Amino acid sequence: DVVMTQTPPSLSVAIGQSVSISCKSSQSLVYSDGKTYLHWLLQSPGQSPKLLIYQVSNLGSGVPDRFSGTGSQKDFTLKISRVEAEDLGVYYCVQATHFPLTFGSGTKLEIK
Amino acid sequence: EVQLVESGGGLVQPGRSLKLSCAASGFTFSNYYMAWVRQAPKKGLEWVATISTSGSRTYYPDSVKGRFTISRDNAKSSLYLQMNSLKSEDTATYYCARHGMGFDYWGQGVMVTVSS
Repeated sequence: DVVMTQTPPSLSVAIGQSVSISCKSSQSLVYSDGKTYLHWLLQSPGQSPKLLIYQVSNLGSGVPDRFSGTGSQKDFTLKISRVEAEDLGVYYCVQATHFPLTFGSGTKLEIK
Repeated sequence: EVQLVESGGGLVQPGRSLKLSCAASGFTFSNYYMAWVRQAPKKGLEWVATISTSGSRTYYPDSVKGRFTISRDNAKSSLYLQMNSLKSEDTATYYCARHGMGFDYWGQGVMVTVSS
């Protein structure tokens, strides 16, 4: 199974700061079609998860462009520029290239 | 507006069965792979099952393979999860998710508690 290692486990940031979350996979996430099925989700407190970024760098519907994703092969990063209060919650990366699909363990973002 | 509404959760004894349903609306259900994802209390997300558009292909992790069955009825825009031989470690909130560009839409989740 592909292991997704997500760091840091938690972050505390002030409004307006920028943060980055890392997600590393134990295998390349490039599928046979050439695409990389690495996605980022946010689970706000008490809510269902919501898609932020799909296929490494594509913004989900309605997601502000303060969020951006980069990376390739086995190393991926989610960046949040100018953090806002509504960004608090747990961020997960998930790979959908290889079955079984696997999630990172999550990064909890708190607002100072 | 895309909506996914789960139902069928509850308290069940170990070894018993339960069937979850997910009613989809706001999109052409038959065009999308669908998935179930669960979250144990205070834990992270765990993928449970995925089904192809026609239902001909299904995928499971080892933790539920042979016990859980995902299915769909495209005429009713509905997704199902039949859970047999339930164990205490299956206790979780179960989410129905559209497996489109990423897991792009999620239901509100339904709680399943396996306990005697």
